[in-house]
Amino acid sequence: DSGVTQTPKHLITATGQRVTLRCSPRSGDLSVYWYQQSLDQGLQFLIQYYNGEERAKGNILERFSAQQFPDLHSELNLSSLELGDSALYFCASSASAGSGANVLTFGAGSRLTVL
Amino acid sequence: GNSVTQMEGPVTLSEEAFLTINCTYTATGYPSLFWYVQYPGEGLQLLLKATKADDKGSNKGFEATYRKETTSFHLEKGSVQVSDSAVYFCALRSNSGGSNYKLTFGKGTLLTVNP
Repeated sequence: DSGVTQTPKHLITATGQRVTLRCSPRSGDLSVYWYQQSLDQGLQFLIQYYNGEERAKGNILERFSAQQFPDLHSELNLSSLELGDSALYFCASSASAGSGANVLTFGAGSRLTVL
Repeated sequence: GNSVTQMEGPVTLSEEAFLTINCTYTATGYPSLFWYVQYPGEGLQLLLKATKADDKGSNKGFEATYRKETTSFHLEKGSVQVSDSAVYFCALRSNSGGSNYKLTFGKGTLLTVNP
């Protein structure tokens, strides 16, 4: 167990729908990152939050949004879903400072299937 | 921008064979380099890391040396086991400062070790 908790583990939904993926970071970590893993694109960085504020944005579609709450958990919202959004979505967290800040700890992922 | 190129898989070896997975990178400055491993059905786990030129990261019999002159971070293991079967990802983190520690990943190399 990495200490990063993601729910749900599996999710099946239809095109056009909206889903929310949840992530609880490792205890003490202030940064949360979201990554999308698909067969054709590999691991793509979506977005990072640090202590509640957006810190960096990657290849995140406008249909997707995220936020980090005061208790530091994060949610990734995916709307108007398309078949191509089917992927594994990983959350990772990192420490706020020191050498540990250089390492990302990943959760087990949420597998989204859009039918 | 930053990028990571790692050898195409899949790689299939017999138990006790020598393993090399090549990884080269493009980045400005002096990035930190990582190898992550993803076992079937699981999230990514940090395998080893190196934060400056000529550093050698090692863990569980795996090694990789940060070679700035060749911009490489090749993963090696002298004698692989069936339990090493997994997908291996090379990654870099630009040390531009701040709390943005996002990683840029290679596409991954699937390793299968047969008994």
